[in-house]
Amino acid sequence: DAGITQSPRHKVTETGTPVTLRCHQTENHRYMYWYRQDPGHGLRLIHYSYGVKDTDKGEVSDGYSVSRSKTEDFLLTLESATSSQTSVYFCAIKGQDYYEQYFGPGTRLTVT
Amino acid sequence: SQQGEEDPQALSIQEGENATMNCSYKTSINNLQWYRQNSGRGLVHLILIRSNEREKHSGRLRVTLDTSKKSSSLLITASRAADTASYFCATDSNNDMRFGAGTRLTVKP
Repeated sequence: DAGITQSPRHKVTETGTPVTLRCHQTENHRYMYWYRQDPGHGLRLIHYSYGVKDTDKGEVSDGYSVSRSKTEDFLLTLESATSSQTSVYFCAIKGQDYYEQYFGPGTRLTVT
Repeated sequence: SQQGEEDPQALSIQEGENATMNCSYKTSINNLQWYRQNSGRGLVHLILIRSNEREKHSGRLRVTLDTSKKSSSLLITASRAADTASYFCATDSNNDMRFGAGTRLTVKP
């Protein structure tokens, strides 16, 4: 999985609770991305980062925040989880000099 | 909103046959990429075609791109049971990556 890990791999949480998902890379790549995958929608970009402390919103960013204080870690936070945020979340990385992305194994989040 | 739209949504073929999947998109792109996803796993990059290219090959994969029609196709030749997976196209427009909903390919042994 190209030196990308995600934690936790599975999580069940209750509506209204905060949740933080972690993406860790060992590749020293500049770009990091958070996607969610839902049936019938493919992958949709939530947020991405183009460097330490540099982040931007994707197409489905409402209800999510991110932080990147170190090159290797990109955190995704759901401040107050809702059932509509039940999904599989994927982190991806990309180097500066090429276009393809490398994906982590995913985190399955269930909000009850 | 999705940029790439794959067609068909699902495809079932016999081992040894060829599989063709199509992708249509809406806006101008820098490149188009195809990814594969096995059940329960992350996506794996297969092949990239730049906007100024028309065809590209990699092993049993052949990708075409028609920017005038805003469409691409992925051909997998001599399919194997191990090719069973979901396949996604992704368009890249200035670091804005958009994925389609995917084609679910089943290759029967």
